[in-house]
Amino acid sequence: NAGVTQTPKFQVLKTGQSMTLQCAQDMNHEYMSWYRQDPGMGLRLIHYSVGAGITDQGEVPNGYNVSRSTTEDFPLRLLSAAPSQTSVYFCASSGNRGNQPQHFGDGTRLSIL
Amino acid sequence: AQRVTQPEKLLSVFKGAPVELKCNYSYSGSPELFWYVQYSRQRLQLLLRHISRESIKGFTADLNKGETSFHLKKPFAQEEDSAMYYCALPIGGADGLTFGKGTHLIIQP
Repeated sequence: NAGVTQTPKFQVLKTGQSMTLQCAQDMNHEYMSWYRQDPGMGLRLIHYSVGAGITDQGEVPNGYNVSRSTTEDFPLRLLSAAPSQTSVYFCASSGNRGNQPQHFGDGTRLSIL
Repeated sequence: AQRVTQPEKLLSVFKGAPVELKCNYSYSGSPELFWYVQYSRQRLQLLLRHISRESIKGFTADLNKGETSFHLKKPFAQEEDSAMYYCALPIGGADGLTFGKGTHLIIQP
């Protein structure tokens, strides 16, 4: 099993551009989430979903949109990229809830110039 | 607000020496705490959770509610233990985890 797959692994954007980070899981997990990790910081929750059609905001949701049309996929959209969004983004999933053990993807390293 | 503090950014010990990675937390209620590990070129993965009271790869962690700590310990470090270690607990206001800043553990031969 691939587990949690994130694409792309690296991306460079210009300020104001839009982009979608993809996340897919093949474990039939209901819960999925997005975190960002800035240098020297812990991971911070951006958005999460407890099932198809249901999404909610985490600690740092501003500037990001999400949707969950299928159990497998949970894309993260940046509508107008800003340099402050330069970060490493991790997608995670769980067969239970967000406060339970998570399976993480490899991460997407995003730079915004 | 829930908070996790890992006071050591970097910890370097010799192979065979004991290891203790510190984690302090603030949380209202009875938290469930986790240790995650990221080895070089691998994805972040769960190492252990306090509720299971397991020993994983020789590591243990005891929840001390009086000191609000969840330190990770191993009696004899091995070179393959070199990695980034993150302590985490539930956010509370959202369905997810809040992480500490991590400790980079280096085991010297």
